[in-house]
Amino acid sequence: AQTVTQSQPEMSVQEAETVTLSCTYDTSENNYYLFWYKQPPSRQMILVIRQEAYKQQNATENRFSVNFQKAAKSFSLKISDSQLGDTAMYFCAFMDNNAGNMLTFGGGTRLMVKP
Amino acid sequence: DAEITQSPRHKITETGRQVTLACHQTWNHNNMFWYRQDLGHGLRLIHYSYGVQDTNKGEVSDGYSVSRSNTEDLPLTLESAASSQTSVYFCASSESPGSTEAFFGQGTRLTVV
Repeated sequence: AQTVTQSQPEMSVQEAETVTLSCTYDTSENNYYLFWYKQPPSRQMILVIRQEAYKQQNATENRFSVNFQKAAKSFSLKISDSQLGDTAMYFCAFMDNNAGNMLTFGGGTRLMVKP
Repeated sequence: DAEITQSPRHKITETGRQVTLACHQTWNHNNMFWYRQDLGHGLRLIHYSYGVQDTNKGEVSDGYSVSRSNTEDLPLTLESAASSQTSVYFCASSESPGSTEAFFGQGTRLTVV
């Protein structure tokens, strides 16, 4: 079974600065996907970014980028130019591509962006 | 627009009662999932279905059941509600086994008193 660990329960950052959220995972699979989801106070789960394990290039989506270290099983999320609207819970998630579409989530990191 | 909706958004029930949470999607997705969200645990998989008449147990399935009689709906039933089942419940759907995009409902906050 896969496990996903987020070691930072809470973080804070000043508006316009950069913050990095950590995620590590454990798997014996080679064909998988990694995700970061954002959950604002509305409770809606929003996909932020997705990384395919067989791609060496790190995924980027505007101000969001990842540092994917496959050998170290590490998948951190960097948020640049933080905005007040980035305040939310962030979940790292794993999907084994050979075992259906179910997601295994980390425990989450609560991010507060301060003005 | 296609969507996935959960009802109710909030519910309070008593210990021992049977409770059913509804999930309805108009994406025509084959795959549907139920997760529960608890502080420190993130979201954990309860049950999932890959199509009509197909249901499977997830990581935390004890005390829960699902049925899939059509493509659009996957209701989650708590047979005899317990205080440990107080949680936020999310339904999600995805198109096919090869799809990596999951669409989530708004969540149902269930309190068992």
